[in-house]
Amino acid sequence: QQPVQSPQAVILREGEDAVINCSSSKALYSVHWYRQKHGEAPIFLMILLKGGEQKGHDKISASFNEKKQQSSLYLTASQLSYSGTYFCGTEPRTGAGSYQLTFGKGTKLSVIP
Amino acid sequence: NAGVTQTPKFQVLKTGQSMTLQCAQDMNHEYMSWYRQDPGMGLRLIHYSVGAGITDQGEVPNGYNVSRSTTEDFPLRLLSAAPSQTSVYFCASSYSKQGPLNEQYFGPGTRLTVT
Repeated sequence: QQPVQSPQAVILREGEDAVINCSSSKALYSVHWYRQKHGEAPIFLMILLKGGEQKGHDKISASFNEKKQQSSLYLTASQLSYSGTYFCGTEPRTGAGSYQLTFGKGTKLSVIP
Repeated sequence: NAGVTQTPKFQVLKTGQSMTLQCAQDMNHEYMSWYRQDPGMGLRLIHYSVGAGITDQGEVPNGYNVSRSTTEDFPLRLLSAAPSQTSVYFCASSYSKQGPLNEQYFGPGTRLTVT
């Protein structure tokens, strides 16, 4: 079952902040975040494991609430280069590692001058 | 390093035809995977492999076959193409020996149209 991302789309002016949420109905081992620009391949941003918050690159960070099976991606002081579609991918918690990521439908972020 | 390469970039097939999408990586990654991406659906896992000789089904495996005879290559075969298989196909690889999946590196994609 796909994780649910919200919002579906957001428009920001340069310098504004945004939060993208990802929620799963399954117990999770990890949450992955990727960004994809139009016509290009997805690019890895960060992984969050249960029990940890990992700060990524630039001014993008994320958190993972393993009790609620929710993750949030925080983009601060947005830049034009942040525009794209953001996907969360969830790996369920199984005994030996599932090796399967299930992606959400994505959040389209547009940053305007 | 070339990273993950995919061929062809574009392909048009007629219903019922078969073809193989090629994927190769030069990073010595054990884990490789195939996804399809349809508008508004995100990425859906078709098949994956945790090493040469080992493959398994993902979320949407019907109509597709894979094999992994070497660490570098992971081809995806469409047995009898259907219009529902019109999509963009991405191959990805990762250094993931055990435990949670690591960062995946995606290839540039193959845009497939079935008429």
